[in-house]
Amino acid sequence: NAGVTQTPKFQVLKTGQSMTLQCAQDMNHEYMSWYRQDPGMGLRLIHYSVGAGITDQGEVPNGYNVSRSTTEDFPLRLLSAAPSQTSVYFCASKKVGADASYEQYFGPGTRLTVT
Amino acid sequence: AQRVTQPEKLLSVFKGAPVELKCNYSYSGSPELFWYVQYSRQRLQLLLRHISRESIKGFTADLNKGETSFHLKKPFAQEEDSAMYYCALRVSGFQKLVFGTGTRLLVSP
Repeated sequence: NAGVTQTPKFQVLKTGQSMTLQCAQDMNHEYMSWYRQDPGMGLRLIHYSVGAGITDQGEVPNGYNVSRSTTEDFPLRLLSAAPSQTSVYFCASKKVGADASYEQYFGPGTRLTVT
Repeated sequence: AQRVTQPEKLLSVFKGAPVELKCNYSYSGSPELFWYVQYSRQRLQLLLRHISRESIKGFTADLNKGETSFHLKKPFAQEEDSAMYYCALRVSGFQKLVFGTGTRLLVSP
């Protein structure tokens, strides 16, 4: 299993540009989420999904969109990039259910710089 | 609202010294607490869960509901323990995790 994969690993954007960060998992996990990691702020939840067709907002959703058309994929879209969105972005997934492990598996991260 | 507080941004100790990384939470119900670790150039991974009550890599953590704490402890730190440590809370009935701001542990020889 590849686990949770993210592309690209690095990205530089100009203010106002849009882009999509890709996330995929091959573990058939129902739950997927996006975090941003900033110095001194820890990991903050952007959006999450408990299954295909279902998404919800986390702590810091503004400026980001998500969709979940399949169980495997959970892309994060930056609509109009701003310097404040410079961060490291992590995607994570975990299984849901009474007999499931509660461990959340993380991707390797995407380092985004907005100039 | 649920919150996780890790008061120390950086904890620096010498090899062989005891380590305690502090974590406090605010939640009125029954929480699930976790410690996640991120070693240099590696992805975040689960270190331990309070439900398991296990020791991983010599680390233990006890949930103290009276003090709303879940401190991570190790009696003798090793250089390979140097990493970023995050405490996380899962609220009953929900899947999402709330993370603290993290503590960087540096273990010097």
